[in-house]
Amino acid sequence: DTEVTQTPKHLVMGMTNKKSLKCEQHMGHRAMYWYKQKAKKPPELMFVYSYEKLSINESVPSRFSPECPNSSLLNLHLHALQPEDSALYLCASSQLKGTGGIDEQFFGPGTRLTVL
Amino acid sequence: KNQVEQSPQSLIILEGKNCTLQCNYTVSPFSNLRWYKQDTGRGPVSLTIMTFSENTKSNGRYTATLDADTKQSSLHITASQLSDSASYICVVAGYSTLTFGKGTMLLVSP
Repeated sequence: DTEVTQTPKHLVMGMTNKKSLKCEQHMGHRAMYWYKQKAKKPPELMFVYSYEKLSINESVPSRFSPECPNSSLLNLHLHALQPEDSALYLCASSQLKGTGGIDEQFFGPGTRLTVL
Repeated sequence: KNQVEQSPQSLIILEGKNCTLQCNYTVSPFSNLRWYKQDTGRGPVSLTIMTFSENTKSNGRYTATLDADTKQSSLHITASQLSDSASYICVVAGYSTLTFGKGTMLLVSP
């Protein structure tokens, strides 16, 4: 299985709602990532988990809360979002090299989020 | 500062024609360079990944080259198809960083 799955595919939420995005991979990858991508822009890194521990937080507002329950799952909890948070949210996973470095990333199809 | 510059920003070609996309980078230390294809509203899909010692790598009609001395890479698409219409993103990996280019938007016209 060389696939990263994400649910839901589309999400519309109000600014007072609480919702979660989910990501799953069964490739045995020990690094998982959340990216935010606005239209016609490259993906922007939000969070990195290594061995189920948060290793990188790119100064993301606290209304985004990541969680890594186990090595196969990655969640992104959303609360009190703003309309400018509307974007495509991508999850990715990769192996971690023993000598360091980031191995090839596999991306999920993304969740299209619209905040009203 | 690590940077990845891609050109052209956008490109329109006729179906069946070839094209070449460019990627210049200033990333140090360098680990590898990746080319991704991203369809609109979908996640990026890996086309090639090259390390310092690799000069060229092919994946079907896609051929990537890397000149680590001049820090340049190219992606050549042969006999383009309508399904090649997408954004092509160059990503350069350092030891613990990934730097994304802004992508080249390719439109293949019938």
